[in-house]
Amino acid sequence: LAKTTQPISMDSYEGQEVNITCSHNNIATNDYITWYQQFPSQGPRFIIQGYKTKVTNEVASLFIPADRKSSTLSLPRVSLSDTAVYYCLVDYNTNAGKSTFGDGTTLTVKP
Amino acid sequence: GAVVSQHPSWVICKSGTSVKIECRSLDFQATTMFWYRQFPKQSLMLMATSNEGSKATYEQGVEKDKFLINHASLTLSTLTVTSAHPEDSSFYICSARGGTSAEQYFGPGTRLTVT
Repeated sequence: LAKTTQPISMDSYEGQEVNITCSHNNIATNDYITWYQQFPSQGPRFIIQGYKTKVTNEVASLFIPADRKSSTLSLPRVSLSDTAVYYCLVDYNTNAGKSTFGDGTTLTVKP
Repeated sequence: GAVVSQHPSWVICKSGTSVKIECRSLDFQATTMFWYRQFPKQSLMLMATSNEGSKATYEQGVEKDKFLINHASLTLSTLTVTSAHPEDSSFYICSARGGTSAEQYFGPGTRLTVT
């Protein structure tokens, strides 16, 4: 399975916009890109999913360029409670729908 | 949104005993369920994929005789850790996918501690 690549960690301050980029060079035509947030000792929580261009919901935006080999999760005006690990997943339908988690990005929001 | 539950949320057992963890999709039918294991400060590692009514598919390096998975219905999958040892202590997380959805819905996880 092709892996996703994200920065290991990022620091930010309250009120700033945070952009986390994920590389997925081997993404297949039918695959979607999904981002999850995980707090310690909890299961991952769905943030946003997209296929191409831009997707926005009440908590985040997802930017996907035309070649789809990367994606950027944008969190507007982060708060201390956004401190968590963020994972991007590419759902490889060519592998019976299973996904491989990369290392994730640990975001630390400081006051 | 879709809800996935796990039971128990934490369990402590003695070495050599077996422990069963349940994963339920509460408001949708899960055609596929996944079991992950996560060690402290590490990412989730996929252990196996189970489809309702068929045998689970295990990832390389995961002992199928030690980690028994049963997906008997569209809303329930179980993971049984047999003859548990302290190195099996970990955070076990299940996820479920229904129909053609590309989204996985994750359970809250189960903390297993083997003494």
